[in-house]
Amino acid sequence: DGGITQSPKYLFRKEGQNVTLSCEQNLNHDAMYWYRQDPGQGLRLIYYSQIVNDFQKGDIAEGYSVSREKKESFPLTVTSAQKNPTAFYLCASSSRTGAGELFFGEGSRLTVL
Amino acid sequence: AQTVTQSQPEMSVQEAETVTLSCTYDTSENNYYLFWYKQPPSRQMILVIRQEAYKQQNATENRFSVNFQKAAKSFSLKISDSQLGDTAMYFCAFMKRVRDDKIIFGKGTRLHILP
Repeated sequence: DGGITQSPKYLFRKEGQNVTLSCEQNLNHDAMYWYRQDPGQGLRLIYYSQIVNDFQKGDIAEGYSVSREKKESFPLTVTSAQKNPTAFYLCASSSRTGAGELFFGEGSRLTVL
Repeated sequence: AQTVTQSQPEMSVQEAETVTLSCTYDTSENNYYLFWYKQPPSRQMILVIRQEAYKQQNATENRFSVNFQKAAKSFSLKISDSQLGDTAMYFCAFMKRVRDDKIIFGKGTRLHILP
């Protein structure tokens, strides 16, 4: 079955540590996105990538980094510079030839202790 | 910059009733897409319905329909004959119909369908 896989589903981190969230898709989509979801804030865009080896900052990129070395993969690193990293993180992808529909993973819940 | 506003943080309706969720947006673009996404308690976000701005006819998907008012920049979602499984967060979203653009989401409306 085609879809998006995020891992881990739950992650705990100590302050000062970097952590990487995985996002893999087998939908052959060109575009991939990372959103952060906080209660009452909706979804806020962290980074997005329209093509391999290229990505753009979203609205809240500070303290985060990404890479896009393969079409299928778009990992997100939450660095120690991110001041409030505890959140729910959603990865999504879309076809650039389609009508913009996003396909989402199940999300990763990061808690900083 | 584009913005999407959902003015109803939370709503509750009885099962089988009809409910309308509001969404307004701000853009200077003429060609764009609008979406409603549903996020059930299980957290997997799915597309409910999509509207292309150049189409005057309102989109419908079974019990879900929209009221798209382009001049007023309004895009409301109507759920008819609501079911318990409709309980979820609903997000309105906007995307310019150009290359290399991103989707902007509203803050969401939490909808409770009561038995």
